[in-house]
Amino acid sequence: EPEVTQTPSHQVTQMGQEVILRCVPISNHLYFYWYRQILGQKVEFLVSFYNNEISEKSEIFDDQFSVERPDGSNFTLKIRSTKLEDSAMYFCASSEQGPASNEKLFFGSGTQLSVL
Amino acid sequence: DAKTTQPNSMESNEEEPVHLPCNHSTISGTDYIHWYRQLPSQGPEYVIHGLTSNVNNRMASLAIAEDRKSSTLILHRATLRDAAVYYCILRDVLTGGNQFYFGTGTSLTVIP
Repeated sequence: EPEVTQTPSHQVTQMGQEVILRCVPISNHLYFYWYRQILGQKVEFLVSFYNNEISEKSEIFDDQFSVERPDGSNFTLKIRSTKLEDSAMYFCASSEQGPASNEKLFFGSGTQLSVL
Repeated sequence: DAKTTQPNSMESNEEEPVHLPCNHSTISGTDYIHWYRQLPSQGPEYVIHGLTSNVNNRMASLAIAEDRKSSTLILHRATLRDAAVYYCILRDVLTGGNQFYFGTGTSLTVIP
């Protein structure tokens, strides 16, 4: 069964450093998302992306964050200057049908980001 | 987005059916009811969704009350691999945008 893959599974970085989290969505999907989950807290929406541009973003997704689809398969989340509070599990997701009330999201297993 | 209310935790014996309730008394006519689950150390996983009628798939069944103010996710035969947090989510992109709003869900423990 096709799946969303994320690399790396764990990323440790120093505060202030840039990190790039990578995702390979399901091949025929056109809509891409990043969510995050701080330890013990809810899964939170960060951003949605379609047709090479952001379609929606949350308050969390400030100027330190950016997303890109550099080629036909990868979807990346960059954090420009990491802060301690960026430590979380980051989930990539994709969907085939796009933002519809009956949309189904497919999530990856996540990248655990630890900022020291 | 319309709110949902779920019990914090539930337990079930292995190989028995599990009924996970969700209350959504403020649901609107265009809200779809979605269920996702999150296994330990995994991303959320789609389980099932519906609008008005009961739905069945290979993973579960979704029973929706006639007034749509509540729904129940039914796992017909719980296995140890079903131990997860189950999220009941209402979704209407016209009012709620692109986001899925994950609450705290119900943590299901399956007892061998």
